[in-house]
Amino acid sequence: KNEVEQSPQNLTAQEEEFITINCSYSVGISALHWLQQHPGGGIVSLFMLSSGKKKHGRLIATINIQEKHSSLHITASHPRDSAVYICAVKRTSGSRLTFGEGTQLTVNP
Amino acid sequence: DTEVTQTPKHLVMGMTNKKSLKCEQHMGHRAMYWYKQKAKKPPELMFVYSYEKLSINESVPSRFSPECPNSSLLNLHLHALQPEDSALYLCASSQDWQGELDTQYFGPGTRLTVL
Repeated sequence: KNEVEQSPQNLTAQEEEFITINCSYSVGISALHWLQQHPGGGIVSLFMLSSGKKKHGRLIATINIQEKHSSLHITASHPRDSAVYICAVKRTSGSRLTFGEGTQLTVNP
Repeated sequence: DTEVTQTPKHLVMGMTNKKSLKCEQHMGHRAMYWYKQKAKKPPELMFVYSYEKLSINESVPSRFSPECPNSSLLNLHLHALQPEDSALYLCASSQDWQGELDTQYFGPGTRLTVL
């Protein structure tokens, strides 16, 4: 079993839909990261969370430390949001990032 | 400036070639990373440099040779690669890789094809 599990693996939505991507982890963490990767490669860090909730534009990320679960929400989705969204955790023991397998999001016009 | 740059963007090389990938950041970060990413998979950590010293080598074959000439630059020297080494090579940097709330900034990657 992976230490970081994301769901769904693939998600197709219509423009303007509200989107949720989930991340569950099984280890103790100091921080959780949400990353975005567009086709062609580069990774952008969207959020780093150690508790609570963060909002940036149409993106909202939440984390529940007790339940070891985080969600990434996209409001009023747009085709330009189409990308792979990756959840990564930094363990309390150790310094590496442990990555989930990613969620491929496609938003159709 | 929150940018990590990587050159080249694309590289095609034969199995007998020697080539180098370059990564640069000017954020004053003291940790720099090389990751390898195969299609539809998450990045896999290869090397970590902290304060210009190699801190982590994830049992990477010796045909990959990292170098950190100074705190802003990270190179990855490639020699006698195999076709299975074809992948996206990502560089990242962060303030201090052992910091609990440290954020890594990723470069755009070099798409490597080994023929």
